[in-house]
Amino acid sequence: KAGVTQTPRYLIKTRGQQVTLSCSPISGHRSVSWYQQTPGQGLQFLFEYFSETQRNKGNFPGRFSGRQFSNSRSEMNVSTLELGDSALYLCASSLLGGSRWNYSYSWPLHFGNGTRLTVT
Amino acid sequence: AQTVTQSQPEMSVQEAETVTLSCTYDTSESNYYLFWYKQPPSRQMILVIRQEAYKQQNATENRFSVNFQKAAKSFSLKISDSQLGDTAMYFCAFMCPQGGSEKLVFGKGTKLTVNP
Repeated sequence: KAGVTQTPRYLIKTRGQQVTLSCSPISGHRSVSWYQQTPGQGLQFLFEYFSETQRNKGNFPGRFSGRQFSNSRSEMNVSTLELGDSALYLCASSLLGGSRWNYSYSWPLHFGNGTRLTVT
Repeated sequence: AQTVTQSQPEMSVQEAETVTLSCTYDTSESNYYLFWYKQPPSRQMILVIRQEAYKQQNATENRFSVNFQKAAKSFSLKISDSQLGDTAMYFCAFMCPQGGSEKLVFGKGTKLTVNP
């Protein structure tokens, strides 16, 4: 079974531009979440989608947005890029998300290899 | 808000020896999950081990085990018989499902180097 696929792996953009990152979850997985990883702030939660609905959102400005399609694939968009947006963006998927949360149910979050975004 | 603290930015260990990575967290919740993730240079986050807060027994996965002290809010990772392939960043993470969310709160990470 293929893992979580993120495209592209590397991206270089200029300040003020916008960018779209893509994430294809593991087949059958319905939940997708996004994280930003920087040396200074570490790993920070961006947002989470389940069945095309945003379930949770982190503390990021409105320039950061996302969506999930009916096939569970997800995209995140960053508009008006700033130098500080340079980071590794990680996507993760899981089978059921929290819709059937059960403390005895064990699930793993599967992460992709990330997209390295550099803003110049 | 939940926070996760990893007080050791870097650690090193000799191959075949044992090393323990520290993690503390802060939460007012009683039911939650704790995780250790490994991130090698390939960048992919790999789940090493997880612990359910309601379980008193410490989780174990082969050479990896945890010491979960719920009252002290401590969750350390012990790696036995360290191997060169264990060299990576290790992140401690907390998750409390609320409203169905699976949001993870990560610590800043510990860079582990296993020396031959």
